[in-house]
Amino acid sequence: EVQLLESGGDLVQPGGSLRLSCAASGFNFNNYAMTWVRQAPGKGLEWVSSIRGSGLDTYYADSVKGRFTISRDNSKNTLYLQMNSLRGEDTATYYCVKGDHDSNGIDALEMWGPGTRILVYS
Amino acid sequence: SYVLTQPPSVSVAPGTTARIPCGGDNIGSKGVHWYQQKPGQAPVVVISHDSGRSSGIPERFSGSNSGNTATLTISRVEAGDEADYYCQVWDYTTAHRVFGGGTKLTVL
Repeated sequence: EVQLLESGGDLVQPGGSLRLSCAASGFNFNNYAMTWVRQAPGKGLEWVSSIRGSGLDTYYADSVKGRFTISRDNSKNTLYLQMNSLRGEDTATYYCVKGDHDSNGIDALEMWGPGTRILVYS
Repeated sequence: SYVLTQPPSVSVAPGTTARIPCGGDNIGSKGVHWYQQKPGQAPVVVISHDSGRSSGIPERFSGSNSGNTATLTISRVEAGDEADYYCQVWDYTTAHRVFGGGTKLTVL
């Protein structure tokens, strides 16, 4: 059974940093693209970042580029999101998502974790 | 940047057909995915790559994509279909994934 479990959500002040983790199980982790999607309270879904199976290719939304870094450790079946220079608008639930194959973006977001919450407050 | 446009809400009676459009410039040339999100839950993919129904999704759910509009169609709508529905594509010019704003389906 495919499972994704995010961790690392917290309260943080503007300008602060957090690292999210996503533990994956039940599939060959290195064979799939992985993605972070966020959802602000009461709002729609927003793509944040994606990474290919090898970890060599990464992609970012303009709203987070230069502040967030996506990475993966295929030996640990774990996806990460390092979040720096956090802003109030980064407040959201962050979902770890498995693609339905390894691609640069055409894959469907096949399996979603339950999400982890981040609140950026002053 | 590429924009996907969805109506904020669609309302239908039980047993009828709901059609949720997703508009985008020449969206017919892109692969469209649809996600269902019920309150307090993570999204679930219901249709992938325009018309592929995901495992466990009832045959009542179908997708189409042509020209400037992709459509999620739900036949014989049930109360349990009430949810927010999002369309999503990959914009190859920017290598960005793009979501529509979402449509709240209400079953009257």
